[in-house]
Amino acid sequence: GAVVSQHPSWVICKSGTSVKIECRSLDFQATTMFWYRQFPKQSLMLMATSNEGSKATYEQGVEKDKFLINHASLTLSTLTVTSAHPEDSSFYICSATRSGTEAFFGQGTRLTVV
Amino acid sequence: GENVEQHPSTLSVQEGDSAVIKCTYSDSASNYFPWYKQELGKRPQLIIDIRSNVGEKKDQRIAVTLNKTAKHFSLHITETQPEDSAVYFCAASRGNTDKLIFGTGTRLQVFP
Repeated sequence: GAVVSQHPSWVICKSGTSVKIECRSLDFQATTMFWYRQFPKQSLMLMATSNEGSKATYEQGVEKDKFLINHASLTLSTLTVTSAHPEDSSFYICSATRSGTEAFFGQGTRLTVV
Repeated sequence: GENVEQHPSTLSVQEGDSAVIKCTYSDSASNYFPWYKQELGKRPQLIIDIRSNVGEKKDQRIAVTLNKTAKHFSLHITETQPEDSAVYFCAASRGNTDKLIFGTGTRLQVFP
């Protein structure tokens, strides 16, 4: 199957700093990628749809200035958590879909803000 | 927007028994319904999916049924094994390249 790689797998940062998470489709081009957030023992909550070459589409209740998404190429989308606070600590996971097939997920990034 | 409900939240079965997880969705335009298995700290893995033009699909011990009229779909696992223990999520979308809306998840425990 297709491979989606996410980096870093885990990160610890101080409150007030920004953290960038990368999502790459390694063997296919993805015009659309999706970013999800997952709290412990909870479901995956869609944050935004990342569109190559255009602005991301954010779900209701997600702060676009807080969670900056950039989809600079057909194989890379980035999520930047700006001015992180402890409540931003979570598991962030991206997915990408190759045309006509299932969604493939990255391995996720565990963010801990201290 | 789409809303997906999933039941039960936890399910414990004896090895060899069957397990059934049910989901309902709200968006009548949804036409793609995948099921994912997620082990602790890992990415979701697709185990089976179904499209709205099909009522049932089977892959070895796993089957999914879809009732478009009632807007619900179910996952059936037969002859469960301890390695089936994980969290299972259903999802719905308007197409497999569209955003997935996930159910709340079911923690399945299979006891030897």
